[in-house]
Amino acid sequence: GEDVEQSLFLSVREGDSSVINCTYTDSSSTYLYWYKQEPGAGLQLLTYIFSNMDMKQDQRLTVLLNKKDKHLSLRIADTQTGDSAIYFCAETRSMNNNDMRFGAGTRLTVKP
Amino acid sequence: DAGVIQSPRHEVTEMGQEVTLRCKPISGHDYLFWYRQTMMRGLELLIYFNNNVPIDDSGMPEDRFSAKMPNASFSTLKIQPSEPRDSAVYFCASRKTESNQPQHFGDGTRLSIL
Repeated sequence: GEDVEQSLFLSVREGDSSVINCTYTDSSSTYLYWYKQEPGAGLQLLTYIFSNMDMKQDQRLTVLLNKKDKHLSLRIADTQTGDSAIYFCAETRSMNNNDMRFGAGTRLTVKP
Repeated sequence: DAGVIQSPRHEVTEMGQEVTLRCKPISGHDYLFWYRQTMMRGLELLIYFNNNVPIDDSGMPEDRFSAKMPNASFSTLKIQPSEPRDSAVYFCASRKTESNQPQHFGDGTRLSIL
């Protein structure tokens, strides 16, 4: 929704790094998430970061959080064609993770 | 482990008909969520349950929409009567009670109302 913004499209070459950006408005956000949606499928949780962290790395994925600027990014190293999907940024403002707010999603296209 | 299971995967029906979407959450998850995804509005939370009790239904668009959770392993979202503007992908998600546990989504039901 309006509280979480993402660019709609990103195109990269296979083997390059992809960086998907997200901004949010509420400084009281507690958890920030990245979900991946492939065609015809649901949202698959990729990774999440607690608001007191600056960075989280998980294999090819690196999440960076700049709390001051309310900016979250997802870097995918060595992007593969199988990474082509829509990536959603989401945040919650409570510890119970029930009131998730999603961005509109960034469609990542990986060209061979 | 089985994930969140939704049925049917696709539903096409004529306007005015009753539509029932079904969801089986992950075993042991105490929270269940229903979302709607459209191109225009993105992903919207409709309603969520905790221990089978509806907690927040403020996202339910109209009285034509209703949701139930008769037990811990089953929930339904019903639209009666259905209208073309209800066409969307409906997702069910579930999570455990612990505060840092994320929501896990099913594959969704693609609903088309003609």
